[in-house]
Amino acid sequence: QSALTQPPSASGSPGQSVTISCTGTSSDVGGYKFVSWYQQHPGKAPKLMIYEVTKRPSGVPDRFSGSKSGNTASLTVSGLQAEDEADYYCTSYAGTNNVVFGGGTKLTVL
Amino acid sequence: EVQLVESGGGLVQPGRSLRLSCAASGFTFDYYAMHWVRQAPGKGLEWVSGISSNSDRLGYADSVKGRFTVSRDSAKNSLYLQMNSLRAEDTALYYCVKERGGTYPDAFDIWGQGTMVTVSS
Repeated sequence: QSALTQPPSASGSPGQSVTISCTGTSSDVGGYKFVSWYQQHPGKAPKLMIYEVTKRPSGVPDRFSGSKSGNTASLTVSGLQAEDEADYYCTSYAGTNNVVFGGGTKLTVL
Repeated sequence: EVQLVESGGGLVQPGRSLRLSCAASGFTFDYYAMHWVRQAPGKGLEWVSGISSNSDRLGYADSVKGRFTVSRDSAKNSLYLQMNSLRAEDTALYYCVKERGGTYPDAFDIWGQGTMVTVSS
C-alpha cells in the first residue's frame, strides 16, 4: 500500500485553470474506476468533489472535472475562484478491500 | 439530516488500547459500507480501515493491520474501531466516513467532524 503521488503544491490566478495530478500504479489508479477527489479547507472535514474518475456529486460546480490516463488521474479546476484555495486529495481503490490516498496538494489562488 | 458523530478519542499511553465509536443518523445505515480515515496534525489524509454493509468485507491499512479491528452494529447504527497496541504514530484526528453507494469500494460522501487520539506517555 504505497501512497499515490501528488504534487505538494499548485497555483493559479483567478479565472485561470489548474490541473492536479495523481499518479499510482496498475494495481490502484490504473486498475479501477474508483478514483475520487476531495477538497479540504483548513480546520474542516474533507468534501467529495469527484467520484468514479469523472463524476461530480450534486452541488459541486462544473468548474471541477476529473480524468484518467493509464496510472495517472487528474483534477482540473477551471475558472479559479478564491474559495477554491484548499488542500486536494485523490484516492483510489487498491484491491483486496484496500483504499489508498494521495499525499495531498495545496492549491493557492494567487 | 445525514450525520456522523465520532466519540472515544483522548490521551492514551503507548501500548494501551482505545475504542472509537461513530453514531450514524439520517440514512439507512445497513445499506452502506463505512470507513475510518485519519489525519495526523499538519499531515495528509490516511485511510485506516473499511467495512462493507454486511461486514463480509474488511480492509486495513498495513500500518494498523493486526492492531486495529473495525466492526459495526446495525441495531445501534454505529461503527467502531478497536485500537490496540497504540503507538505515537497513531496520533491523529480520526474521521468516520460513509460511502456514497451501496458497494465497497465507493467514494466517501459524508464525513464526521473527527475525534482526536493522542498517544503519548
